[in-house]
Amino acid sequence: AQKITQTQPGMFVQEKEAVTLDCTYDTSDQSYGLFWYKQPSSGEMIFLIYQGSYDEQNATEGRYSLNFQKARKSANLVISASQLGDSAMYFCAMREAYNNNDMRFGAGTRLTVKP
Amino acid sequence: EAQVTQNPRYLITVTGKKLTVTCSQNMNHEYMSWYRQDPGLGLRQIYYSMNVEVTDKGDVPEGYKVSRKEKRNFPLILESPSPNQTSLYFCASSLSGFTDTQYFGPGTRLTVL
Repeated sequence: AQKITQTQPGMFVQEKEAVTLDCTYDTSDQSYGLFWYKQPSSGEMIFLIYQGSYDEQNATEGRYSLNFQKARKSANLVISASQLGDSAMYFCAMREAYNNNDMRFGAGTRLTVKP
Repeated sequence: EAQVTQNPRYLITVTGKKLTVTCSQNMNHEYMSWYRQDPGLGLRQIYYSMNVEVTDKGDVPEGYKVSRKEKRNFPLILESPSPNQTSLYFCASSLSGFTDTQYFGPGTRLTVL
C-alpha cells in the first residue's frame, strides 16, 4: 500500500512567490518522522527539513517550513520567496518506528520557478 | 568531510554480466540502505541493513544481493543484470532511529543493454 502520496507531479511558481508542495501519509504508528528532500537536475538528494510526530510546532529551516497537520496526516512543504535555484524534484518521506525505521518516499513533485 | 560515496557513478553493461556497486560511509552509521529511482515511482528501497551482518529485503529486492561485513561498507550486487534493472541507484546511511535523517550518496546511473 502506498504510504506517501504526493498528488502534484508538477508545479510552477513565479520567482519570489511562495509555493506549497503537498504530501499526505498513511501510518498506524504513533512514532514517525517526516522528511523532505530536494533533488536538483544534478541528481543528488539534499535533505531540507524534518518533522517528528510528537513535535507540536511546525518545523522551519530558513525559507522552508513544514505545515504539519497530524489529524489529516499531511505534511506539506512551504517554500517562501522562491528562487530560480529552487527548481528541482521534491520528495516527501517517512520513517516509522515500528517498521525497522525504513524510509518510504513519495513519487515526487517537480517544481519549476519562473523568472 | 562526512559523506557517503558510491562507485561507479555511471555504468553501462550487458545483460548477465555480474556487477557490484560499492557504497561506503564515514559517519559510523548503523543503518544503510539501497534505493532505486525510476521516473514517476520515487525512490523504492531494495535492501537495508540495521548493522553489521544484519540485512533485510526492502520493497524491490528481486535480482539484487547485498552484504554488510563492515560497518562502513554496503555493496550492492547484481548477479545477472537485466534491462529492467536500468535505473538510478542511491545508497544512504543514517543512525538507526525514526527521527534520523538519511544521508545519500551521489547516485549510480546504471544502464543494462
